[in-house]
Amino acid sequence: KAGVTQTPRYLIKTRGQQVTLSCSPISGHRSVSWYQQTPGQGLQFLFEYFSETQRNKGNFPGRFSGRQFSNSRSEMNVSTLELGDSALYLCASSPRQGIQETQYFGPGTRLLVL
Amino acid sequence: AQTVTQSQPEMSVQEAETVTLSCTYDTSESDYYLFWYKQPPSRQMILVIRQEAYKQQNATENRFSVNFQKAAKSFSLKISDSQLGDAAMYFCAYRPGAQKLVFGQGTRLTINP
Repeated sequence: KAGVTQTPRYLIKTRGQQVTLSCSPISGHRSVSWYQQTPGQGLQFLFEYFSETQRNKGNFPGRFSGRQFSNSRSEMNVSTLELGDSALYLCASSPRQGIQETQYFGPGTRLLVL
Repeated sequence: AQTVTQSQPEMSVQEAETVTLSCTYDTSESDYYLFWYKQPPSRQMILVIRQEAYKQQNATENRFSVNFQKAAKSFSLKISDSQLGDAAMYFCAYRPGAQKLVFGQGTRLTINP
């Protein structure tokens, strides 16, 4: 099976712009989670989607949003970009929602905000 | 608050030797899972091993094993016969019933040839 794919892999934006990142889960996986990784804050949970519904949300401002489509693909959007949004954004998928489900990560999208 | 602490920012080991990475966590939950993920320079996060809290037996995956001490809230990773390809950042992660993974700050492991 193909792994989790994320597009684009690299992105450069300027402050104030908005950006959309895409994640395609492993075939058959229905749960998708997003994480932000920065040198200062480490890995932080953004949100999790299952069956097109947001099931859990981390402590991020409303500028960060996401959605999931009927084929389980997910997008996250960041509006009004700030310099501090520069990070590696990781997407992870699992077959179902549940504590026992292992999350498998994609290669990430590296976002640089200038 | 649910936290994961990795007290060793960096570790190094000679090739073919054994190294142990430490992890402690804080939780009031009784049912949860623990994971070790590896992140090489490519940045791809790779699952190394996982442990169910209700299982007393320590998980093992080939050269990787854990020492899970539930009462002490400790979850260390032992890598035997270290190989150059084991060089990476290692993250300990905890997942309670709320679905999200809570990560430690990571330990950078260097393998000396």
